[in-house]
Amino acid sequence: GENVEQHPSTLSVQEGDSAVIKCTYSDSASNYFPWYKQELGKRPQLIIDIRSNVGEKKDQRIAVTLNKTAKHFSLHITETQPEDSAVYFCAASISGGYNKLIFGAGTRLAVHP
Amino acid sequence: ETGVTQSPTHLIKTRGQQVTLRCSSQSGHNTVSWYQQALGQGPQFIFQYYREEENGRGNFPPRFSGLQFPNYSSELNVNALELDDSALYLCASTRGRGGDYEQYFGPGTRLTVT
Repeated sequence: GENVEQHPSTLSVQEGDSAVIKCTYSDSASNYFPWYKQELGKRPQLIIDIRSNVGEKKDQRIAVTLNKTAKHFSLHITETQPEDSAVYFCAASISGGYNKLIFGAGTRLAVHP
Repeated sequence: ETGVTQSPTHLIKTRGQQVTLRCSSQSGHNTVSWYQQALGQGPQFIFQYYREEENGRGNFPPRFSGLQFPNYSSELNVNALELDDSALYLCASTRGRGGDYEQYFGPGTRLTVT
């Protein structure tokens, strides 16, 4: 069935270190993979996305990689800062001509000064 | 911040009651999706509306229904509320119904069913 697995569920790093979150999806027809950051009590905020015709995308300190063969995609945050602390969700689109996203269970990232 | 707004912010209802949640989409966006986010979990797709018609549905029972209006705003209606319906309800607007359009979320409505 439709499924996105996300690891790790929690991640603790020191300020300045890198953080990597990994996701695996099940629907081989998925072609869009967004990442959302959700701070406590706030809306999920789209921070970066990647489409299936691209293998890597970077935006300042964040980057996303996609391996369609293995059905894996990952979020990389470099030079982490305390304000990066939040829950991060990966998602994958589901084929069918509509905007259904399947979300992972989330990764709680804590960046310690 | 996105231009997506939702009302009300919080709501407390009793089991068996009915509730209506509202969403205004971002300017230029004609498609609205609704998601349910239980505490500590990722959002789950309820359904999507495009041009005032339901255009895709997740694994939610028929007591979850919706509407989209000509100005692309939307409502989510839930009948016969159950305790498990307690969650954050998010709407997301997009500029098209295709699977690779960006979705921008509103702030959500926190529903508590007692």
